[in-house]
Amino acid sequence: DAGVIQSPRHEVTEMGQEVTLRCKPISGHNSLFWYRQTMMRGLELLIYFNNNVPIDDSGMPEDRFSAKMPNASFSTLKIQPSEPRDSAVYFCASSVSASNEKLFFGSGTQLSVL
Amino acid sequence: AQSVTQLGSHVSVSEGALVLLRCNYSSSVPPYLFWYVQYPNQGLQLLLKYTTGATLVKGINGFEAEFKKSETSFHLTKPSAHMSDAAEYFCAVSDSYGSASKIIFGSGTRLSIRP
Repeated sequence: DAGVIQSPRHEVTEMGQEVTLRCKPISGHNSLFWYRQTMMRGLELLIYFNNNVPIDDSGMPEDRFSAKMPNASFSTLKIQPSEPRDSAVYFCASSVSASNEKLFFGSGTQLSVL
Repeated sequence: AQSVTQLGSHVSVSEGALVLLRCNYSSSVPPYLFWYVQYPNQGLQLLLKYTTGATLVKGINGFEAEFKKSETSFHLTKPSAHMSDAAEYFCAVSDSYGSASKIIFGSGTRLSIRP
């Protein structure tokens, strides 16, 4: 299995632009998680899906952030408009189910908003 | 509310030396504890976890951790460090068994190995 695949690996954009991060979970995994990692706040859960349905988005910082999972093999995290404080590494992770704590993380997307 | 504190953001040891990464937790209920490892340019992966039962937990790559309730600790150890162990290590806690979304991660400890 190729593992969790995220794209792009790096994204540099200007303030105000729309940013879309993509994730392909491991085939057969029913739960998908989006995390943000920063020096100041560490690793934070933004939102998670179970069977393509958003279950808990309480970690999404503000309305500028949105996430979708149109099918079992694809999810997006969108920031519109982006701000410099959104600069971070964004990780996608999947697990067999929401009750299984063995998370498989992608390599992350390094986002820089100038 | 639960939390974890990792003592030391950076630990450096010589190859072959003992590795000790410290983690203390705070939880109002019996905790479930985890160690994850992040190798350079990769995502995190589970190293080991404690749920119930034996307090000494063995993980991959020769690592182990011991749950000590009296000390609220879950330190990670390895008897002999290898160069390939250089990575960032995250301690994590959950107060809900079987709920991946409840996992709270620590701030991480970067482990460097000196030749």
